[in-house]
Amino acid sequence: GDKVKQSPSALSLQEGTNSALRCNFSIAATTVQWFLQNPRGSLINLFYLVPGTKENGRLKSAFDSKESYSTLHIRDAQLEDSGTYFCAAEQQGTGSKLSFGKGAKLTVSP
Amino acid sequence: GPKVLQIPSHQIIDMGQMVTLNCDPVSNHLYFYWYKQILGQQMEFLVNFYNGKVMEKSKLFKDQFSVERPDGSYFTLKIQPTALEDSAVYFCASSLQGEDTQYFGPGTRLLVL
Repeated sequence: GDKVKQSPSALSLQEGTNSALRCNFSIAATTVQWFLQNPRGSLINLFYLVPGTKENGRLKSAFDSKESYSTLHIRDAQLEDSGTYFCAAEQQGTGSKLSFGKGAKLTVSP
Repeated sequence: GPKVLQIPSHQIIDMGQMVTLNCDPVSNHLYFYWYKQILGQQMEFLVNFYNGKVMEKSKLFKDQFSVERPDGSYFTLKIQPTALEDSAVYFCASSLQGEDTQYFGPGTRLLVL
């Protein structure tokens, strides 16, 4: 089965509203990265997390290794937040390779 | 932030031909990676590379695939010969240390006809 399960797979928001994306891990994740893949296909780094939380502007992310999940909260969504959000995890004992979720497509409309 | 470059951005080749994808990683990074993304699907790990050697490869890293970084130049992924199922976007990434933030390039879109 999938090592990293993302939910929801797609989400539509109006500008100014808030949302939360989630990843559940069936592996012993040691670190988590969140990316935004823009419409051109480029991956933009959002967060690199060891267990704990980080905040950057309107984005906030948390990683709980014991409960095996990570979340990404988007506050006051803007049009430029549209794209596909991926989480990826490094697995304990497997070295530095990332296992990715299937992505969450976010569409922000006026 | 740190930039990883990939050349070319697009490549169209005939099945059976050889192709080399080039990656210019972040200058002081020591760990290099290739990932494969088939259209609309998730990213899949192919291989990682450190100190001139492959550390780990996945089942997707077929015998026709090879990687190298001769003399600190481009980190390359070579496919010889190519097959139809190799059509995908190939992303290069690099990191300073093993368990560290991986920075991704913009991808090379490979189409095998």
